[in-house]
Amino acid sequence: GQNIDQPTEMTATEGAIVQINCTYQTSGFNGLFWYQQHAGEAPTFLSYNVLDGLEEKGRFSSFLSRSKGYSYLLLKELQMKDSASYLCAVNDGNYQLIWGAGTKLIIKP
Amino acid sequence: GAVVSQHPSRVICKSGTSVKIECRSLDFQATTMFWYRQFPKQSLMLMATSNEGSKATYEQGVEKDKFLINHASLTLSTLTVTSAHPEDSSFYICSARGQDDYEQYFGPGTRLTVT
Repeated sequence: GQNIDQPTEMTATEGAIVQINCTYQTSGFNGLFWYQQHAGEAPTFLSYNVLDGLEEKGRFSSFLSRSKGYSYLLLKELQMKDSASYLCAVNDGNYQLIWGAGTKLIIKP
Repeated sequence: GAVVSQHPSRVICKSGTSVKIECRSLDFQATTMFWYRQFPKQSLMLMATSNEGSKATYEQGVEKDKFLINHASLTLSTLTVTSAHPEDSSFYICSARGQDDYEQYFGPGTRLTVT
């Protein structure tokens, strides 16, 4: 079956670094996405990985290991506005996204 | 670029009435549109996938006669919730994808409350 696992909730301190992990088992693979979603809003695109390795974009980086079915999102220099849910989603090869349940990130001062 | 709009952003309706939600791709041609539903504190649930000019493909458990989807043009898809009930109250989000595009672009969502 299709399965994507990520932690339900994480807490971090303003200015620190946090890593949100995502593991997946899907029938096909054509890339992994990370989205940010603030409460009451639609998801916004953060990153896309289709090849192994690290993609860096400002304070956010995303890593993919296809052989391990594993990705992480790294957030540096955390700000209070980073408090949100972070959704991991895998393109299963049919242009549909298989979604994880999301990780709620709480930033404390 | 790649902007998707939804209308209305919020709607309150009485039980038994129907509600139409529009999803538009403003600056690209959306060959495929997706409709999601999200209940509080839960992840997105794909309801259906629609390709322009074709009938929508519904996910298991989603009633096609209750959630009518029309994707008549490359820039517009509509979701009609027929005979709405309070349990249909949810956040409905559409996304759109251009041909050969790997990314889905999300609309801002529509919060439906059925009283």
